[in-house]
Amino acid sequence: DTAVSQTPKYLVTQMGNDKSIKCEQNLGHDTMYWYKQDSKKFLKIMFSYNNKELIINETVPNRFSPKSPDKAHLNLHINSLELGDSAVYFCASRRTSGETQYFGPGTRLLVL
Amino acid sequence: QKEVEQNSGPLSVPEGAIASLNCTYSDRGSQSFFWYRQYSGKSPELIMSIYSNGDKEDGRFTAQLNKASQYVSLLIRDSQPSDSATYLCAVSDNYGQNFVFGPGTRLSVLP
Repeated sequence: DTAVSQTPKYLVTQMGNDKSIKCEQNLGHDTMYWYKQDSKKFLKIMFSYNNKELIINETVPNRFSPKSPDKAHLNLHINSLELGDSAVYFCASRRTSGETQYFGPGTRLLVL
Repeated sequence: QKEVEQNSGPLSVPEGAIASLNCTYSDRGSQSFFWYRQYSGKSPELIMSIYSNGDKEDGRFTAQLNKASQYVSLLIRDSQPSDSATYLCAVSDNYGQNFVFGPGTRLSVLP
């Protein structure tokens, strides 16, 4: 059973489109994250949710909107995609009282 | 701006040697420190965490923390070709909520 899963694994789209990435974890964790890893492998936190509440919102364009319908899911919607949005997006989760983050397999987004 | 710095590498070591990876961080309030390993095309996986000054050993891995110098290191003894990967240093704040990652050091273990 996959602990943290993301869909889709690959996403190729045109500039200006709107797309969504979904994340689900079956670990019973209450904190979930979205990270962006660019071509230089720099992994940067974008958002963090704890018990469906947004607790970290780094400097990210407001074209990016996270949504957590429940503790096990954290989705990311991106409007008006730009070339610079091309990256790998990782979802991660952890127990609030724990330090270990478990990462999903990543979604490779390519904007043409 | 909280920063975590690492030498990008690549760091090449022969099989069986000790690989030494270094990391410095800017936020003195940082409380928890982590080393992640990321194979090409895969997601990061936690290999070590350390919270207090000194050394922490786990198998072939030893993490070292010096808060006064704002320095964390990872030693890999008896390096194997399967250790070839990018190693990411990460630091979390006092609340353990926000994680800042370094750019990673690419390690290549030559057979």
